[in-house]
Amino acid sequence: DAGVIQSPRHEVTEMGQEVTLRCKPISGHNSLFWYRQTMMRGLELLIYFNNNVPIDDSGMPEDRFSAKMPNASFSTLKIQPSEPRDSAVYFCASNLNTEAFFGQGTRLTVV
Amino acid sequence: GESVGLHLPTLSVQEGDNSIINCAYSNSASDYFIWYKQESGKGPQFIIDIRSNMDKRQGQRVTVLLNKTVKHLSLQIAATQPGDSAVYFCAEMLQGAQKLVFGQGTRLTINP
Repeated sequence: DAGVIQSPRHEVTEMGQEVTLRCKPISGHNSLFWYRQTMMRGLELLIYFNNNVPIDDSGMPEDRFSAKMPNASFSTLKIQPSEPRDSAVYFCASNLNTEAFFGQGTRLTVV
Repeated sequence: GESVGLHLPTLSVQEGDNSIINCAYSNSASDYFIWYKQESGKGPQFIIDIRSNMDKRQGQRVTVLLNKTVKHLSLQIAATQPGDSAVYFCAEMLQGAQKLVFGQGTRLTINP
C-alpha cells in the first residue's frame, strides 16, 4: 500500500475562494482523521470518521469548514470561503484500531 | 518544508547521549498512547505505542514509560543520533472512541 495519499501537496488561493483538500486512506483502515497544524495551536484534530460516518466534528473551527467521506477510500475537507487565518498544513490520517498513519499533508496558503 | 516553526519546548542533547522527552496527557480515561516523530516536510510517523495495562515498553533504541497516576508519558531514546532530530509528539486515544489527540510536541536537536 502506498500509505495515506493527500492532494494537493501545496495550495495557494485567494481569500474568499473555495478550497478542497483530498485524502485517500490506507485500504482496510476504518477510521480517518483530519488534522490542522499551525505555529500557534500545534496539531489540532478537526474531525474524524469511523466506517465513513463522522463521529466527532467538535474540532471544526466554524461553518466554513466541512468534511465528507462518501466511501471508504476517499475523503474531502472543504473550506468555503477561505480566509488568511486558515493558512496551515492539513494532515489526513487513517487507522484500524491502533496507531494512525499520516499523509504528507497539504500546505495551504490563503492570501 | 514543514516543520511549521512551532514555538515548542526544545531539548538539546549531545550525539551519543540518551534523550528523554516528557509528555503530560489530559484524559484519565485514555487507554492507548503513541509517540510520533515529525521531520521537516513530513507527516508524523509512528515510533512506539503502549496500552494502559502496561507501564513500560521497549523498541529498538526507544523506550516508552507510562505513569497513569500522574498522567505522564515519556520517550527515551538511547544513543541519540543526528537522524533523531525532529519534533516528537505524544498522542492519546480512548480506543473505544477512536479519537486520537496530540500533545504539544518537543523539538529535539542534536549537538555534534
